[in-house]
Amino acid sequence: KAGVTQTPRYLIKTRGQQVTLSCSPISGHRSVSWYQQTPGQGLQFLFEYFSETQRNKGNFPGRFSGRQFSNSRSEMNVSTLELGDSALYLCASSLGGTVNYGYTFGSGTRLTVV
Amino acid sequence: KNEVEQSPQNLTAQEGEFITINCSYSVGISALHWLQQHPGGGIVSLFMLSSGKKKHGRLIATINIQEKHSSLHITASHPRDSAVYICAVSNTGNQFYFGTGTSLTVIP
Repeated sequence: KAGVTQTPRYLIKTRGQQVTLSCSPISGHRSVSWYQQTPGQGLQFLFEYFSETQRNKGNFPGRFSGRQFSNSRSEMNVSTLELGDSALYLCASSLGGTVNYGYTFGSGTRLTVV
Repeated sequence: KNEVEQSPQNLTAQEGEFITINCSYSVGISALHWLQQHPGGGIVSLFMLSSGKKKHGRLIATINIQEKHSSLHITASHPRDSAVYICAVSNTGNQFYFGTGTSLTVIP
């Protein structure tokens, strides 16, 4: 079965621009969570969506937002890009619900802000 | 103070050695996760634990809820085990906290 698909794999943007990243979960998974990984801060939780609703949010500024569609695909948007937003952005999908199911990660989108 | 602490930060082992990576956490959790990340970025979820012990091939993960501690063991290590191993915890709100990772190099 297909895994978690993230697009694009690589992206270069200019400071001040905005960017949208996409994550297609495993079929049947209703939870999608997003993470930022940088050399300095490591992995950090951004937010989690379940059935089109944001259930949890990490400690990131409002420039970071997301949404989930009825087919469980999720997008993450970063507005007014800063150099420090350069990172690997990972998403993970899970069955979701109230039970803690295992997570499957995508390969990530590597964003470079210049 | 980080919610999740891992040790060691770096580990070099000879092929065939038994390896242990430790993880301590300070928050209430519903599950603890061990993740593996190879160069290039892709992350694989190895284990999700809420109690006891799990085994998958040469990998064993244990958790002691009372002591807030988990260990990941690799028996008969192999160069292909070389990767960064990350401990993460999730709470009932599905928020994640991550350790800084242990970089493992297994030398043939």
